[in-house]
Amino acid sequence: DAEITQSPRHKITETGRQVTLACHQTWNHNNMFWYRQDLGHGLRLIHYSYGVHDTNKGEVSDGYSVSRSNTEDLPLTLESAASSQTSVYFCASSENPQGPYEQYFGPGTRLTVT
Amino acid sequence: GQQVMQIPQYQHVQEGEDFTTYCNSSTTLSNIQWYKQRPGGHPVFLIQLVKSGEVKKQKRLTFQFGEAKKNSSLHITATQTTDVGTYFCAGLTDSWGKLQFGAGTQVVVTP
Repeated sequence: DAEITQSPRHKITETGRQVTLACHQTWNHNNMFWYRQDLGHGLRLIHYSYGVHDTNKGEVSDGYSVSRSNTEDLPLTLESAASSQTSVYFCASSENPQGPYEQYFGPGTRLTVT
Repeated sequence: GQQVMQIPQYQHVQEGEDFTTYCNSSTTLSNIQWYKQRPGGHPVFLIQLVKSGEVKKQKRLTFQFGEAKKNSSLHITATQTTDVGTYFCAGLTDSWGKLQFGAGTQVVVTP
């Protein structure tokens, strides 16, 4: 069955370190998204991609970067981790722009920056 | 930019009671979606509404899209403990699939 996976599921890192969170989907979806979830803020979009070599900034992109070299993967990199980036991170994917637009979410990565 | 707001933020419900959660957008939406996230889990798609005034039902859940396509509601009848979780609405912000999520309504059910 098609799925979307994230790794690691839990990560503790120190302030200033570079961290990369992996997202891999086997749905063959063109669209991929990264969100962070914090209490009281719901899901906030960090970066998104509508296809290979396409990347776009979301509403909270500062301090994060992504690259899309193939359809299946959209890794999220924290260039220099900060305590404010302690959060739960979700990756999601959806089909082509013709729709439907429902997003399939991965299980999430809980990141703690100490 | 587009803002999507949900009320209430928290909802405590006695098992068997009904409740409604509301979603309001600052702009007209072409499409609104609802997701449910169980405690410790990830958001799962429930339904998508596209037409003005559209009403869809899933068992005890009734979803409605406002006539002006700027608001939506989720009504749950005879709440059960399986309804526990956070319900998010999300509005489509472009024609490619980008969503703006509301902050969610966290539902707690008391047996």
